[in-house]
Formats: sequence, structure tokens, C-alpha cells
Amino acid sequence: GESVGLHLPTLSVQEGDNSIINCAYSNSASDYFIWYKQESGKGPQFIIDIRSNMDKRQGQRVTVLLNKTVKHLSLQIAATQPGDSAVYFCAENIRGGADGLTFGKGTHLIIQP
Amino acid sequence: NAGVTQTPKFQVLKTGQSMTLQCAQDMNHNSMYWYRQDPGMGLRLIYYSASEGTTDKGEVPNGYNVSRLNKREFSLRLESAAPSQTSVYFCASNLDRDYGYTFGSGTRLTVV
Repeated sequence: GESVGLHLPTLSVQEGDNSIINCAYSNSASDYFIWYKQESGKGPQFIIDIRSNMDKRQGQRVTVLLNKTVKHLSLQIAATQPGDSAVYFCAENIRGGADGLTFGKGTHLIIQP
Repeated sequence: NAGVTQTPKFQVLKTGQSMTLQCAQDMNHNSMYWYRQDPGMGLRLIYYSASEGTTDKGEVPNGYNVSRLNKREFSLRLESAAPSQTSVYFCASNLDRDYGYTFGSGTRLTVV
């Protein structure tokens, strides 16, 4: 089965609110995690990454939190804008595993005006 | 700087036909990957090449072959297309396994 999954298939938020997208993983050997944004008809776009020796990493309007105790990853988007509408995927690299990322199924973020 | 370029963008094949999907990157990345994405699902790894001259199977390699032609190019071949191979195919590259992957814009393949 999949090592990486997401709690909700669709998340609807009001424009201007903060969004939190969650991801659970089951492989304790995972040591590198990435969040991707995919707009309709396009390839995945890198948002932010985090390594297993970190708990938190911040970018421009985005923050990724990693809780290794419960194997949970989250993406927080501040002041959500219409351009944030997309499907968001978490992905992991497994230490000692084959190269290449394992992806979750994705969460569709919908921005309400 | 084009990043990762995939050709063609769209393709329709009849069952049993063969074709090659092309991928090229201009970022001097060492590793390249082929993924497929089916509706409502995340991406699944087909094959990857950790460096020029090497290729390895991913999660779903059956029905595919790959060639790492040089450092820039990594092609995916379907020898005898089947309807189950209808999907969107993405090529990606990165410098090393622990660095962000750059994806192409995809090839939409339909097998009828």
C-alpha cells in the first residue's frame, strides 16, 4: 500500500484565511519530504521541503511542520489567495529505498471568494 | 532556462502500437525519473536513472522500457500499448535524491 496519504480529498477555505493541509506517512525510514502544488493541466510545482532532522521550515507564505512521533506532515498557507487553488501533494523519500518520491493522493484546495 | 521538456504533449495510440516519450533537462541534473498519474491519484514511479548509464525499476515498470541516452535525456518506451497505460506521464529530474525534483508539464496519452 501507499506509504504517504492525506486526510481529506477536498479542503474549502475563504479567501484571506489560513489553510492547513495534512499528510500522514507510515514509513519511519522516510527522511525527506516535499510539498507540491499541481494546477489543472500542469506538472507538479515544488513548494517547500523538509528533512527529517527538522521540525519546521518556513517559506514565503508557507510553513511545513513535521511530527516524526506521529508520522505527520502539514502544509500551512497564510492568507490564502485565489491563485492557491490547486491539488496539493505530499511526497517522501525513504532512506535506503529506491530513488524517487512516493506520493500521496492529493488534497484539492478550493478558495471561496 | 527551459527546465524539463517533454514531447509530445498529447498522443493517441491504438492498442498494440509502440511509441517513445522524450524528456530532456538542461539543469545538469544527475538523476531523472518517469512517473505516471491516473485520475484522482498521486504520481507513481515507473523507472528512474540515478546517473548517466544506469536505470532502475520503480513501483510500476511493467510494459515500459527506458533509455538514459546521455546526461540530458531520458526516454520512456511503450513497446505494445494497452488501454491500462492511458495516463498522464511526467518526467522529473534532480541533482541528488535529497533535493527538490523539477517536473515537466506532462504527456497525456490515450490508448484506444
